[in-house]
Amino acid sequence: AQSVTQLGSHVSVSEGALVLLRCNYSSSVPPYLFWYVQYPNQGLQLLLKYTTGATLVKGINGFEAEFKKSETSFHLTKPSAHMSDAAEYFCAVSEGIGFQKLVFGTGTRLLVSP
Amino acid sequence: DAGVTQSPTHLIKTRGQQVTLRCSPKSGHDTVSWYQQALGQGPQFIFQYYEEEERQRGNFPDRFSGHQFPNYSSELNVNALLLGDSALYLCASSLTGGQNTEAFFGQGTRLTVV
Repeated sequence: AQSVTQLGSHVSVSEGALVLLRCNYSSSVPPYLFWYVQYPNQGLQLLLKYTTGATLVKGINGFEAEFKKSETSFHLTKPSAHMSDAAEYFCAVSEGIGFQKLVFGTGTRLLVSP
Repeated sequence: DAGVTQSPTHLIKTRGQQVTLRCSPKSGHDTVSWYQQALGQGPQFIFQYYEEEERQRGNFPDRFSGHQFPNYSSELNVNALLLGDSALYLCASSLTGGQNTEAFFGQGTRLTVV
């Protein structure tokens, strides 16, 4: 069975600082990995995804993530945080894009201070 | 192009009642998945519908059932509501068979059971 672990339920950064949100996964098959963002009272918006190919994936709003198979990790980073980045972030794993059954982590709330 | 739409946005029900939630997928999508997101948790997969049949199911009791219509829209039904069913219910649509597809989420239906 697949699973996702997100280290840190809350991460606080100052505006302009580096953002690092951690995600480790477990999968018996080559995983497809996703990061979603959720703003208050909203649904989920896809930030980026890894399927195959290049292990460094760039997404929207300046976010990127690197798939490291040896570490079973898919950490999300952004060089410089903006106030508008404050939200809940979810890492998810899927056995394949075709079936789209996503297994989510418990989420990390990003707090950005001025 | 309308994205995934869900109705209603909010709902309050009494224990023991039954509820129906509705979802219209993004244009061109043929697959609908439902997720339950309890407060402070990541979304949990309930089931997925494709070609009007349940294709995959998560670890949810039979009180949770669904339907997909010929126009690909879907309903989620929950019988004999429990307090623990209070959650945000998310619908996601995708296209089966596409290699570069992703799941698009609706805004969700907030269900409160009292």
